[in-house]
Amino acid sequence: SQQGEEDPQALSIQEGENATMNCSYKTSINNLQWYRQNSGRGLVHLILIRSNEREKHSGRLRVTLDTSKKSSSLLITASRAADTASYFCATGFQTGANNLFFGTGTRLTVIP
Amino acid sequence: GAVVSQHPSWVICKSGTSVKIECRSLDFQATTMFWYRQFPKQSLMLMATSNEGSKATYEQGVEKDKFLINHASLTLSTLTVTSAHPEDSSFYICSAIEDSHYGYTFGSGTRLTVV
Repeated sequence: SQQGEEDPQALSIQEGENATMNCSYKTSINNLQWYRQNSGRGLVHLILIRSNEREKHSGRLRVTLDTSKKSSSLLITASRAADTASYFCATGFQTGANNLFFGTGTRLTVIP
Repeated sequence: GAVVSQHPSWVICKSGTSVKIECRSLDFQATTMFWYRQFPKQSLMLMATSNEGSKATYEQGVEKDKFLINHASLTLSTLTVTSAHPEDSSFYICSAIEDSHYGYTFGSGTRLTVV
C-alpha cells in the first residue's frame, strides 16, 4: 500500500505548547503535503514540501522532510484551541496533477 | 484562492436508490478531480481519478459500476452511488488541483447515510 502512517494517532496538549506529528511513507515521492480536517468537514491544505526540500515554514507551522528515512514531521508552535483538528500527511508521486495517498492521520486536541 | 464546491453536504436515502454528488471548481478549470471516501475516524481512501472528457480511473477494489463518475466539463465532476446500501454510508470528498505549487483544493464533503 502506498498509504502513509502517522504517529501519534492522537495527541492532547495544553494551549501554548508545541505539537509535533510524524508521517512515514513507503515509496519515493515527488512531494508531501499536510492537510487539516475539522470534524466532519473537508480538508484544508496547509503546506507542501517537495522532495528536494528539507524544511519549510508557514506561520506557526514548520515541516521537515527526510527522504532518506521516508519521513516528515509537522510542528505547530504555540498551539491554540482552534488548532484542534485531525492532521493528515499526503504523498504525491508525480509532477503535475496526480492522485494523493493519505496517511492515517493524527487527532490533535488543544486544551484551553 | 481556489474554491471547490461540493453538493449536497449531506444526504439520507433509502436502500436501492441512487444518489448523485456534485463537485465544482468555482474559479479555476480542473482537468483532473479526485474522489475520496472516508469512514469515521479513518483516513481518506482514494476511490477514483476523474479526467475531463474521458473515463475515470478507479482504484483497486472500487466498483466502477456502483460508483459512476462523470467529468463532463472542466469545472464539474459527479459521483453517483447506484443502488445504495447501508454499507455505502460514508463521507465522500472530492478534490481538484489548480497548481501543483499550492496543493489540492478539497470540497467540504458529503455525508451519505443509506437507511
